[in-house]
Amino acid sequence: DTVLTQSPALAVSPGERVSISCRASEGVNSYMHWYQQKPGQQPKLLIYKASNLASGVPARFSGSGSGTDFTLTIDPVEADDTATYFCQQSWNDPWTFGGGTKLELK
Amino acid sequence: EVQLVESGGGLVQPGRSLKLSCAASGFTFSNYYMAWVRQAPKKGLEWVATISTSGSRTYYPDSVKGRFTISRDNAKSSLYLQMNSLKSEDTATYYCARHDGSYIRGWFAYWGQGTLVTVSS
Repeated sequence: DTVLTQSPALAVSPGERVSISCRASEGVNSYMHWYQQKPGQQPKLLIYKASNLASGVPARFSGSGSGTDFTLTIDPVEADDTATYFCQQSWNDPWTFGGGTKLELK
Repeated sequence: EVQLVESGGGLVQPGRSLKLSCAASGFTFSNYYMAWVRQAPKKGLEWVATISTSGSRTYYPDSVKGRFTISRDNAKSSLYLQMNSLKSEDTATYYCARHDGSYIRGWFAYWGQGTLVTVSS
C-alpha cells in the first residue's frame, strides 16, 4: 500500500503562512487531494489533483507538488483554520490517507 | 445543495452483520461513483469501498474484501454497505462520500455526517 506521511502537528500565529507536507512512499502522479476536518465534523475537500481549489474554498488555500512530495499552503492563516488536515492519494490501489496534521493557532 | 445522510449504525456483537444506508439528494445520483470511508475513534481515515455509476463494478481494500459489500439503488438515490463478520477493528464512524473526477481515480468531493458503528460484546 502507498503510505502517506504527514507531520502530526503544527502551531502557527494568525496571519502567518503555513505549509503542511505529505510524502508518498511511491509515486502518485498528481492524484493527491487534501481535506480539512474540524472536531465533530465530516471531512471537507480543499484541494484536488494536487493544485486545484475545490468549489467554495477560500483562495488562501493552495496546493502544490507531484510524484511523491506534496504541500498544502494556507496564507494567511485565520483562527477558523484550526483543524486536522489529511492528504489522500487515488493513483495506487488501495486509495490511502495520510495520518493527518493537526493545525493549532498560537 | 448536495446532501448525503447516513443511517443504520449502532452497537453490534463481533461476528454479526449490519447494513448501512446513505440517502443522497441535490445531484443526479446515477451519474457519480460513490464510496464509503471510515474513521476509527480518534484515528485517521480509511477508504472502505467504491461503486461505479451502474453498480456493475465495485472496489475494496483487502481489510474488508469478502466481508463488506457496497451496492446502490439509483432509482432511490441510495447507497448501501452490507457488513458481515464484523470485528472490533471495524468500530468507526462510516461516511458516505461522492466521488468526483476521473472515475475510480477521483476524489471525495462531498461527505455525509457519518454514522457510528460499534462492534463489541
